[in-house]
Amino acid sequence: AQSVTQLGSHVSVSEGALVLLRCNYSSSVPPYLFWYVQYPNQGLQLLLKYTTGATLVKGINGFEAEFKKSETSFHLTKPSAHMSDAAEYFCAVTEAAGNKLTFGGGTRVLVKP
Amino acid sequence: DAGVIQSPRHEVTEMGQEVTLRCKPISGHDYLFWYRQTMMRGLELLIYFNNNVPIDDSGMPEDRFSAKMPNASFSTLKIQPSEPRDSAVYFCASSLALLVGTDEQFFGPGTRLTVL
Repeated sequence: AQSVTQLGSHVSVSEGALVLLRCNYSSSVPPYLFWYVQYPNQGLQLLLKYTTGATLVKGINGFEAEFKKSETSFHLTKPSAHMSDAAEYFCAVTEAAGNKLTFGGGTRVLVKP
Repeated sequence: DAGVIQSPRHEVTEMGQEVTLRCKPISGHDYLFWYRQTMMRGLELLIYFNNNVPIDDSGMPEDRFSAKMPNASFSTLKIQPSEPRDSAVYFCASSLALLVGTDEQFFGPGTRLTVL
């Protein structure tokens, strides 16, 4: 069975600082990995996804994530935080056999001026 | 396309009442998902459909919950009778799975349900 662990339910960063959100997964088959963002009172929006090929994936709003199979990780980064990045971020995994996403617990990002 | 449409956006009801949440997926999408989000349990998949057929309902918490998809453009999630612990935000999402497992799920804005 697949599962996702996000380390840290809350992260506080200063504007302009690096954003690093950690995600580790377990999967019995090669996984497909996703990061979604949820702004207050809104649904989830896809930031980026890894399916096959290049392990460094670039997404919207300057975010990127790197798939590391040996570490079963898919950490999300952004070099310079912006106030508009304040939101909750979810890592998710699905296996090739189905379309069912399993989400991590989410990490809420606070950006300080 | 207007995206995934959910109604109502907010619902307040009393314990024991029937609640019906509605969802219109993006036109042409093959898959439809219902999720529940709470502080305690996070984001949980309740059920999903492929071509209007329920594929996996293992996340439906109990028999009080039921979901239908009578056609490709409409789905309902019903709770009868509702209980205070059902209070949550319910999301509907849809996707077009050209390659199964790889396609983005598009989420609706959610229905915030409060059961008093």
